[in-house]
Amino acid sequence: RKEVEQDPGPFNVPEGATVAFNCTYSNSASQSFFWYRQDCRKEPKLLMSVYSSGNEDGRFTAQLNRASQYISLLIRDSKLSDSATYLCVVNGPQGGKLIFGQGTELSVKP
Amino acid sequence: GAGVSQSPRYKVAKRGQDVALRCDPISGHVSLFWYQQALGQGPEFLTYFQNEAQLDKSGLPSDRFFAERPEGSVSTLKIQRTQQEDSAVYLCASSLEIPGQAEAFFGQGTRLTVV
Repeated sequence: RKEVEQDPGPFNVPEGATVAFNCTYSNSASQSFFWYRQDCRKEPKLLMSVYSSGNEDGRFTAQLNRASQYISLLIRDSKLSDSATYLCVVNGPQGGKLIFGQGTELSVKP
Repeated sequence: GAGVSQSPRYKVAKRGQDVALRCDPISGHVSLFWYQQALGQGPEFLTYFQNEAQLDKSGLPSDRFFAERPEGSVSTLKIQRTQQEDSAVYLCASSLEIPGQAEAFFGQGTRLTVV
């Protein structure tokens, strides 16, 4: 079993749709959680950190459920520019490495 | 420049050739990571430095892979006797503090093709 698992998609949605991505992680000792965004043939960039209380940044909402070892990302009112791969990231048990999921591809269509 | 810089951007190597990939992190960043990303996959961890100390090399796939950061700044990832399965994008990232406490910034990567 991979340490961080995501549905690879692709998710094909129309503009304005709400889309949700899910992620599970295997190590209960993990302390920090993130969503990164990666455009085609580009480097990953931090989208947002994920806090236990949940957090929101504009159209994006991230939630963490430590008991279920589950992380989610909700995108409301999706835009064409949201088309990218979304990577779920968890830090390793000793706080060293960042462990990436395989990514979920999102394609927003007009 | 202000970001993480990697060179070369593209490298074609003949099978069996040795290659060296360079990473210039953001100035002052303590942590430096190397990742390998195959097409359609997420980045896979290779190794992690805190300053000049290599704290985790558990992701290096074989003893053909070697990384160093001798002065706690620039890092080099060396792959000896390259094989076709080494073809991937190699990403370097740096972070101001220890991972999880500060954002990790990625370079644009080196795309290695072994023929």
